[in-house]
Amino acid sequence: NAGVTQTPKFQVLKTGQSMTLQCAQDMNHNSMYWYRQDPGMGLRLIYYSASEGTTDKGEVPNGYNVSRLNKREFSLRLESAAPSQTSVYFCASAGTRWREQYFGPGTRLTVT
Amino acid sequence: DQQVKQNSPSLSVQEGRISILNCDYTNSMFDYFLWYKKYPAEGPTFLISISSIKDKNEDGRFTVFLNKSAKHLSLHIVPSQPGDSAVYFCASRWSGGGADGLTFGKGTHLIIQP
Repeated sequence: NAGVTQTPKFQVLKTGQSMTLQCAQDMNHNSMYWYRQDPGMGLRLIYYSASEGTTDKGEVPNGYNVSRLNKREFSLRLESAAPSQTSVYFCASAGTRWREQYFGPGTRLTVT
Repeated sequence: DQQVKQNSPSLSVQEGRISILNCDYTNSMFDYFLWYKKYPAEGPTFLISISSIKDKNEDGRFTVFLNKSAKHLSLHIVPSQPGDSAVYFCASRWSGGGADGLTFGKGTHLIIQP
């Protein structure tokens, strides 16, 4: 039982490049989330998906898009990366929005 | 404006003693509070939670206290162990409609001294 997995673990991009961060959970959870964490800061919500087929913006959605591919997978896409998107990205899932969230190990992204 | 505040960036406690981590919130629409523990290069791990209808929740060495009138919660760890050294995040869930997800504080780095 792997829980929440994220790929890749590390990525370096040049300004303007695009990439997709992958997230999968094997806990049969309905809700999935993408957060970013910047140095000295708490985690901030980028996008979430309350259930398969739905996605909504969080606190800091600009510059990102998401896809809830199926119940297990929730991907985050950067269409044109900017240095301000240098951060650690965490994916999380929860049985429902009323339950605790479980986090993946994170993707460390650097944009130069 | 920060809605969840952890005013102590770090805290050093001797092994075996009690660790008390504090968290303040500003929004009375938060109805559920959680504590997460994070080791370097790992994702946050859920530790313990409390609903706004309770004032205390206990799980082994971990107890969370909620004072709704003061908009304050605290995490007590007794006794503190070396493996407790980590960053602890307080998080709150919004009870109203609109955006889902958790609002996090900036974290407190707990260091357990031998």
